Amino acid sequence: EVQLVESGGGLIKPGGSLRLSCAASGFTFSSYSLTWVRQAPGQGLEWVASISSSSTYIYYADSVKGRFTISRDNGKNSLNLQMNSLRAEDTAVYYCARDQNWGSRFDYWGQGTLVTVSS
Amino acid sequence: SYVLTQPPSVSVAPGQTARITCGGNNIGSKSVHWYQQKPGQAPVLVVYDDSDRPSGIPERFSGSNSGNTATLTISRVEAGDEADYYCQVWDSSSDRWVFGGGTKLTVL
Repeated sequence: EVQLVESGGGLIKPGGSLRLSCAASGFTFSSYSLTWVRQAPGQGLEWVASISSSSTYIYYADSVKGRFTISRDNGKNSLNLQMNSLRAEDTAVYYCARDQNWGSRFDYWGQGTLVTVSS
Repeated sequence: SYVLTQPPSVSVAPGQTARITCGGNNIGSKSVHWYQQKPGQAPVLVVYDDSDRPSGIPERFSGSNSGNTATLTISRVEAGDEADYYCQVWDSSSDRWVFGGGTKLTVL
C-alpha cells in the first residue's frame, strides 16, 4: 500500500525557517517524481514545488522561488521542503504527492501537515 | 501564466447529474485531471487524462475535454459526493502544474 506521511509542521514566526519531511513507503521511491502542494485555510490547492525521480528537474511556484528548497533522499525514501523567510501567506496545510509521471497526475497524497506563520 | 477557471459552486439533487466545468485556453490540447476533496481530508484523484478513472472510483464519475472546456460529470449523485472538486493540468510552456480554483458541489 502506498503511503506518504508528512511531518515537521508547526507554528513559526514571520521570517523564520521550517523543514518539512515526507516519508514514503509501499512503492519504488526512486522511480517517481514528487510534489508539494499547499492549501491555505479555506482556500484552494496551490502547487508549490516538484522534483524528478533523480533530482534532475526541480521546479518552484513563483510565490516560493528563492525561499523554499525541495530535495529528496532516495536512500531514505524521504522528500523534504526547506522553507526560509516564511511569511504569513505561507500559512497552509502542506501535502506531499506522488506524480504518476513527470507532468502528469498526482495519484497518491499524504494527509498533510499544517504550517502556521504568525507572530 | 496558464489559468483554469471553475464555477465556485454547483448544486444538484440526489440522483441527478452534476457537471463541473474547467475552462482554459485550448485546454482540449492538454490532459486534465480531477480531484475530490472532502472537508479535513487530502485530495483524491477521481479522473485522470481527461476521462480515465483510477481503480476504486465509481463509474458514475466521468470526464471529457474539448476546445476551451473540460467537464467532470457525476451521474446519479449521492450525498457522499458532496465535496470540493479541482481540475489540474501541466502547463509545459512554463513548467508549472496549475490547479483550478475549485468547485463546491452541494447535494440538495
